[in-house]
Amino acid sequence: GQSLEQPSEVTAVEGAIVQINCTYQTSGFYGLSWYQQHDGGAPTFLSYNALDGLEETGRFSSFLSRSDSYGYLLLQELQMKDSASYFCAVSNRDDKIIFGKGTRLHILP
Amino acid sequence: EAQVTQNPRYLITVTGKKLTVTCSQNMNHEYMSWYRQDPGLGLRQIYYSMNVEVTDKGDVPEGYKVSRKEKRNFPLILESPSPNQTSLYFCASRANTDTQYFGPGTRLTVL
Repeated sequence: GQSLEQPSEVTAVEGAIVQINCTYQTSGFYGLSWYQQHDGGAPTFLSYNALDGLEETGRFSSFLSRSDSYGYLLLQELQMKDSASYFCAVSNRDDKIIFGKGTRLHILP
Repeated sequence: EAQVTQNPRYLITVTGKKLTVTCSQNMNHEYMSWYRQDPGLGLRQIYYSMNVEVTDKGDVPEGYKVSRKEKRNFPLILESPSPNQTSLYFCASRANTDTQYFGPGTRLTVL
């Protein structure tokens, strides 16, 4: 079957760096995406990795290792507005998309 | 403005009363999808569609139907809603990349 594992909660301090890990099991892996969701809002796309390595978009970076079935989202220079839930999602060649259960990020001032 | 719209945003209904949640996108995206979100379970895909007249089951399709008669619209139909379908529903669309654009969500309560 297909599954994703990510921590349920992470706490970090404003201005610091935090890493949210995601491990997955799927057949026909195509890519790993990350989404941010604030309370009461819709998920918004952050990043996508299809190949091994690091993708950087401003303060956010995402990493993928296909051989380890592992990826992470790195958030730098944390701001209070980054307090949200973060979801990893895998897409496979059947075009199905499976989401993880989400990581709640708490940021302390 | 590029967007995905859903209607209604909130709905309270009773068991067995058929309902439809509409979804429309103005980005000419081929791929559209429906998800439900429940506490502690994340987002689970209900149905998806690669193009007009092409639909496929996601992970939790039981109790739902969809149709894709036009590229822009992808309605979600609950023929006989039950209380376990009380949830927050999101429609999403994407082009050929993995960037999905989500609608604002529909909070459904089935009594």
